[in-house]
Order: sequence, then structure tokens, then C-alpha cells
Amino acid sequence: NAGVTQTPKFQVLKTGQSMTLQCAQDMNHNSMYWYRQDPGMGLRLIYYSASEGTTDKGEVPNGYNVSRLNKREFSLRLESAAPSQTSVYFCASSVSAGSQPQHFGDGTRLSIL
Amino acid sequence: RKEVEQDPGPFNVPEGATVAFNCTYSNSASQSFFWYRQDCRKEPKLLMSVYSSGNEDGRFTAQLNRASQYISLLIRDSKLSDSATYLCVVNIRTGGFKTIFGAGTRLFVKA
Repeated sequence: NAGVTQTPKFQVLKTGQSMTLQCAQDMNHNSMYWYRQDPGMGLRLIYYSASEGTTDKGEVPNGYNVSRLNKREFSLRLESAAPSQTSVYFCASSVSAGSQPQHFGDGTRLSIL
Repeated sequence: RKEVEQDPGPFNVPEGATVAFNCTYSNSASQSFFWYRQDCRKEPKLLMSVYSSGNEDGRFTAQLNRASQYISLLIRDSKLSDSATYLCVVNIRTGGFKTIFGAGTRLFVKA
């Protein structure tokens, strides 16, 4: 039972570099999410995809883009990384958006120097 | 004011103690509620959903008070393995939807 799989698990970037975080789920869920978690703060929603073919901004979308590649996969892209984007990133999925619990991947620890 | 606020922590309790966490939310359009636990450097994991009538899962009891806009989590007979951060989560329907996580309350259970 893989659930939600994120890659990579760790990454160090230099300011200005770009990278894509990958997320895949095998639970046939319709909705997928990207969060960031910073010390002393709750998880904050970056973007979500309520269903295949749709994406919407969350609370902190600036500096990020997403792609819902298919029902299983939802990627997060940093076009020009900044030190303020140093964080732990979690991908999650749920049966549907808004009322169902979300299941999380084990996170990507990203440091930007 | 934060949309979801939790008890400040940490809570330090002995094994066997009963501990209660409270969480308040400010948006009356909040529709669904959950408690998650998060171990250090791990992902959040669903502990339980919270229903209007209250619900119990073993040593854990969750309650919702819509009139006062708060939810609670009660842990009875605390175990060392209960040591974690407990996150209150609220889904708000606002045209689309928003999921808001509380900042979490850290629990330490000691022998």
C-alpha cells in the first residue's frame, strides 16, 4: 500500500534554480493538494486540484505552479527558488475536496541557499 | 485572529493521565472537522473525524460544538506512544473550499 508517494525526499537548491516536486497517489482519489509546513506554523495550502483537469490557488500560491498530469499525479514547480521557500512540502489526496479527510505523503525537505 | 486556534502547548502529562485539547474556529461556514496527529519529522496522519453527535475511537473522544464553534479531543489513559503534535483541521465551504490547519498542540507523555 503505497498511498501517496513524494519525490524527492530531500533537496538543496541555490537561489534562482528551478525544480519540480513530484507526487503520485494510488488510492483513486479525485482531489490532490500541496502544502508547506514551517516551524511554529500550521500547514498552509499552496495549491489544490479538486478533480483531474482543475487546479486552484490556496493560501500561499506565490512563487509556485502546479500541474495535474492525470488522476494519479500532481506536481509542484518552483520556477526561481528563493530562501523564503525553504520548508517541508507535503502532498495529500482525498476522495473529494472539502469534506473528506486527506492522506499525506511523507514530505519533501527543501533547503534553498 | 487566526481562523483555527488551538491550545498553546506543550502539554506534559504522566502515563495514564487524561488530557483534553480544544480548538476554536471562526468561520461559521466550516463544514467538516478532523483531528490529525503528527510525529516529529513525519507527515500528518488522520486520527479521527469529528461528528456533531460526538464520536469515540478507543481511548480517544472527539466532540463538536457548532454553537460555540469549537471542537475537542479527549485522550484517556495516555500512553508514551501518544506523544506527538495534535492538529485540528477545519474544512470551510466558500464557493470553493478551504482547508485550514491549526498550528498544533504538542503532547509529551512521560513514564
